[in-house]
Amino acid sequence: KQEVTQIPAALSVPEGENLVLNCSFTDSAIYNLQWFRQDPGKGLTSLLLIQSSQREQTSGRLNASLDKSSGRSTLYIAASQPGDSATYLCAVLTMDSNYQLIWGAGTKLIIKP
Amino acid sequence: EAGVTQSPTHLIKTRGQQVTLRCSPISGHTSVYWYQQALGLGLQFLLWYDEGEERNRGNFPPRFSGRQFPNYSSELNVNALELEDSALYLCASSRGGLAGADTQYFGPGTRLTVL
Repeated sequence: KQEVTQIPAALSVPEGENLVLNCSFTDSAIYNLQWFRQDPGKGLTSLLLIQSSQREQTSGRLNASLDKSSGRSTLYIAASQPGDSATYLCAVLTMDSNYQLIWGAGTKLIIKP
Repeated sequence: EAGVTQSPTHLIKTRGQQVTLRCSPISGHTSVYWYQQALGLGLQFLLWYDEGEERNRGNFPPRFSGRQFPNYSSELNVNALELEDSALYLCASSRGGLAGADTQYFGPGTRLTVL
């Protein structure tokens, strides 16, 4: 059974710092991995989707990497801004789950001005 | 282009009542997903509809049900509400075919409170 873990659960850093969020999964047989952000009390916004055949995806100041063999993904945020404060969730699409996304619990990120 | 819309935004019900939540997908999307996000818990997959049919169901009791209409909009029904059903209910849509193979776009959610 696929399990997705995100560490740390919460992170607080000063504005301007580069930071890395981690996501690990137990079953490497995945179709893809996605990163989302969620603002308090609101829906989710898709940030990046990495197909199983890809190693990384970039969008602006965000870069997500995928290492399927080790069951890990990282989300790198460059030059963090207060507007980046949110909860970041990763989710994997596992081949044996009838196409159901399996979610991590998220990392709550606070960027201090 | 309009995003995924959900109604109502907030809802307060009492135990034992029934509730219907609604979702309209992005134009051109045929797949709709429902998730429950209870306070302090992660997202839990509820249901996936594609082309009007239920394709997959999460580990929830039968009192959680839904349907998808010919225009691809969807309803989530919850019968015999319990206190633990209080949560943010999120709807997402994507292009059809393999669920999750394409990015899922989420609506703002419906906040359900059961008293």
